[in-house]
Amino acid sequence: QVRLEQSGAELRRSGASVKLSCKTSGYTFTSYNMHWVRQVPGQGLEWMGFINPRFGGTFYAEKFQGRVTMTRDTSTSTLYMELASLTSEDTAVYYCAGGSDRHPPGFDYWGQGTLVTVSS
Amino acid sequence: QTVVAQEPSLTVSPGGTVTLTCASSAGRVTSVNSPSWFQQKPGQAPRALIYSTNNRHSWTPARFSGSLVGDNAALTLSGVLADDEAEYFCLLYYSGTPVFGTGTAVTVL
Repeated sequence: QVRLEQSGAELRRSGASVKLSCKTSGYTFTSYNMHWVRQVPGQGLEWMGFINPRFGGTFYAEKFQGRVTMTRDTSTSTLYMELASLTSEDTAVYYCAGGSDRHPPGFDYWGQGTLVTVSS
Repeated sequence: QTVVAQEPSLTVSPGGTVTLTCASSAGRVTSVNSPSWFQQKPGQAPRALIYSTNNRHSWTPARFSGSLVGDNAALTLSGVLADDEAEYFCLLYYSGTPVFGTGTAVTVL
């Protein structure tokens, strides 16, 4: 079955960057576009962008363009999301999600989430 | 920035039926927006329930159904169980960009 295993919690200072990982298994890694979504504690879900693992192409939400970088390592079936110039407003749980070959790309499976805390 | 609005909270009795709606500031929601629905319980990641308006995932109980009602997307929970108490989010696509709804907290009481 599809599994998305995310890296552990991170603590950063304002102005720093963070790089999160999402190790996938249970399907052909290059088959599905994969999203990153974040959730500020107690608030709603916010889409950040997605990556096509086969070609490495990305599509970012306008809000995060210039600050987010999504990459992948096909040899380890792992996705990465790096967010730069962190502020306290970036304190959130970050999820990887995806696992469908539909168009538009779906959010069928979710990782367990990674809490990123940014201190000033 | 398109806003996708949901009822902040709804209460339903066990065994009852409740309908959640998903409205778009950009106008009428249609199948082109490919509405999806997700359930999230406290401390857990969201779980996908419905995709492409009215399609259940293999793990989605039959008591969850999606539809278009009037200008909105809708999620109907029938024969509600205590286990259905959760936050529910819709998602709409706009020219390839997904936007999540504001979420509805469903209380089973």
